[in-house]
Amino acid sequence: GAGVSQSPRYKVAKRGQDVALRCDPISGHVSLFWYQQALGQGPEFLTYFQNEAQLDKSGLPSDRFFAERPEGSVSTLKIQRTQQEDSAVYLCASSLKPSEAQETQYFGPGTRLLVL
Amino acid sequence: ELKVEQNPLFLSMQEGKNYTIYCNYSTTSDRLYWYRQDPGKSLESLFVLLSNGAVKQEGRLMASLDTKARLSTLHITAAVHDLSATYFCAVDILSPVAGGGADGLTFGKGTHLIIQP
Repeated sequence: GAGVSQSPRYKVAKRGQDVALRCDPISGHVSLFWYQQALGQGPEFLTYFQNEAQLDKSGLPSDRFFAERPEGSVSTLKIQRTQQEDSAVYLCASSLKPSEAQETQYFGPGTRLLVL
Repeated sequence: ELKVEQNPLFLSMQEGKNYTIYCNYSTTSDRLYWYRQDPGKSLESLFVLLSNGAVKQEGRLMASLDTKARLSTLHITAAVHDLSATYFCAVDILSPVAGGGADGLTFGKGTHLIIQP
């Protein structure tokens, strides 16, 4: 079946521009996560949704970052007034049941953001 | 603060050899994961380990978990070139805020593995 999809796959932005990154989770998956992966590093947690509720946004690096999932399926990560340090791969992941012991997160291909 | 450390960070080995990647984490965790990432690609789930002494195997890869030592290992047996990739371990803590589910994974920096013919 279809996995997690993200768009665009690549985005080049001029410093100061706003960008919006989209994530389509696996159908029926309750949980949705956003991560930021810098070059050569492991992903770092940004924010988490359970259905439409944003339960944790402690990883968002600044108030320029905003995420939403208004209908509990598709999610958008928005970055306002982009800075060069925002350049990274933004990964989206989803999982089916939050409390299931063997639960794993399925990752999308990521959006590679380059801020010039 | 939950911290995850992997070692080695870089590993070059020959086909046919065995090797082990280590993952230490700083506080009690509920689940430990191993992921594989190929260059320019996303993360592929390999194993989920839940309990002390858990061992899982898939092909030439075997993962184990020692919760008392807060240590997981990923063992590679008779390595082949196709296993060249970056391997990440990650841990999470089930959170009542998250309905008993995971509240985001904490990843190690990854082990960049190159297997030479």
